[in-house]
Amino acid sequence: DGGITQSPKYLFRKEGQNVTLSCEQNLNHDAMYWYRQDPGQGLRLIYYSQIVNDFQKGDIAEGYSVSREKKESFPLTVTSAQKNPTAFYLCASSIGHNTEAFFGQGTRLTVV
Amino acid sequence: EDKVVQSPLSLVVHEGDTVTLNCSYEVTNFRSLLWYKQEKKAPTFLFMLTSSGIEKKSGRLSSILDKKELFSILNITATQTGDSAVYLCAVEARGSGYALNFGKGTSLLVTP
Repeated sequence: DGGITQSPKYLFRKEGQNVTLSCEQNLNHDAMYWYRQDPGQGLRLIYYSQIVNDFQKGDIAEGYSVSREKKESFPLTVTSAQKNPTAFYLCASSIGHNTEAFFGQGTRLTVV
Repeated sequence: EDKVVQSPLSLVVHEGDTVTLNCSYEVTNFRSLLWYKQEKKAPTFLFMLTSSGIEKKSGRLSSILDKKELFSILNITATQTGDSAVYLCAVEARGSGYALNFGKGTSLLVTP
């Protein structure tokens, strides 16, 4: 089945640690995105990538990093520089402009 | 700065009622407006609107866009408890690499 897979579903991290969230898609989409969702805040864009080996910062990129070495994969690293990392993280992909974005099931990150 | 504003933020209705959800936007170089339904984790696509005045319809749901007044509405007729969800409005604009700018969502609860 085609789709987007995020892992893990739940993640706990100690303060000061970096953690990497996985996002894989087999839809052959060029564009991929990472969003963060907090209660009452809607979805906010962290990073996006339109093509392999290229990515751009979104509205809230500070404290995050990404890579796009393969078309299928767009991992997100939450670094210790992110001041408030506890949130629900959603990965999405799309063919291009004026097309719907497909979402993964999300990763809920909790800093303990 | 691009803005997407949804109203109301939350709504409680009885089964069988009709509801109208609103989305207004201020973006530079508008491309499209999309509606998503989010029940637990992954938002699922409902509609994409690019042209003014053309109603999109799917069962009991319909949506329309007014590019002059910069808003869209999502109508749900004969609501059912399964319609309970957060409804997200998002806008794609040129210059953001196809990434969607989301509103905060409307939380709809349909009671029996």
